[in-house]
Amino acid sequence: LAKTTQPISMDSYEGQEVNITCSHNNIATNDYITWYQQFPSQGPRFIIQGYKTKVTNEVASLFIPADRKSSTLSLPRVSLSDTAVYYCLVGDYYNAGNNRKLIWGLGTSLAVNP
Amino acid sequence: GAVVSQHPSRVICKSGTSVKIECRSLDFQATTMFWYRQFPKQSLMLMATSNEGSKATYEQGVEKDKFLINHASLTLSTLTVTSAHPEDSSFYICSARVGLETQYFGPGTRLLVL
Repeated sequence: LAKTTQPISMDSYEGQEVNITCSHNNIATNDYITWYQQFPSQGPRFIIQGYKTKVTNEVASLFIPADRKSSTLSLPRVSLSDTAVYYCLVGDYYNAGNNRKLIWGLGTSLAVNP
Repeated sequence: GAVVSQHPSRVICKSGTSVKIECRSLDFQATTMFWYRQFPKQSLMLMATSNEGSKATYEQGVEKDKFLINHASLTLSTLTVTSAHPEDSSFYICSARVGLETQYFGPGTRLLVL
């Protein structure tokens, strides 16, 4: 199972773009990279998932270099409501018979200031 | 889509009693559901994986006789904490997965054992 490393915390201001980088040096060929957001006392919320290059949805972008040993979650123009913990996870989601476990690290605690 | 609910959202019980937590996938059928536990300021810890119609697979260190998991249908999994003690007080979160999809999480259940 691929281990991930993220910064413990980050600070930003409203309106800024925030980039959170995650290292996953031993990512496997079948592994996808997924980011979740968690607010206090709530379950994690799926943000974005990708395999390689760049993925963009309505809330974020995910940049994955060719070697896939890291990934960067980009949150454009953050607001106070984006203050949360962000988790990067690596796993084989598309092996239908495999209950591939997700190992959760401590995530990155993002604080958005006024 | 992909909504997962949990009930109750919070529960307070006396030491020695049993507590049942329900996890439902509201708009999809989940072949696999996961149960996590999260202590304050810590990350999610996988407790067990349950597949519809079969026995749950517990993680190392999780007592299967204490944390009973039943996944009787494709939309419902239950976690029963038997003979709960104060050290079982935690935030319990379930997630559901459909075949090739990523995991979607419930809102969590806060358990306080007095």
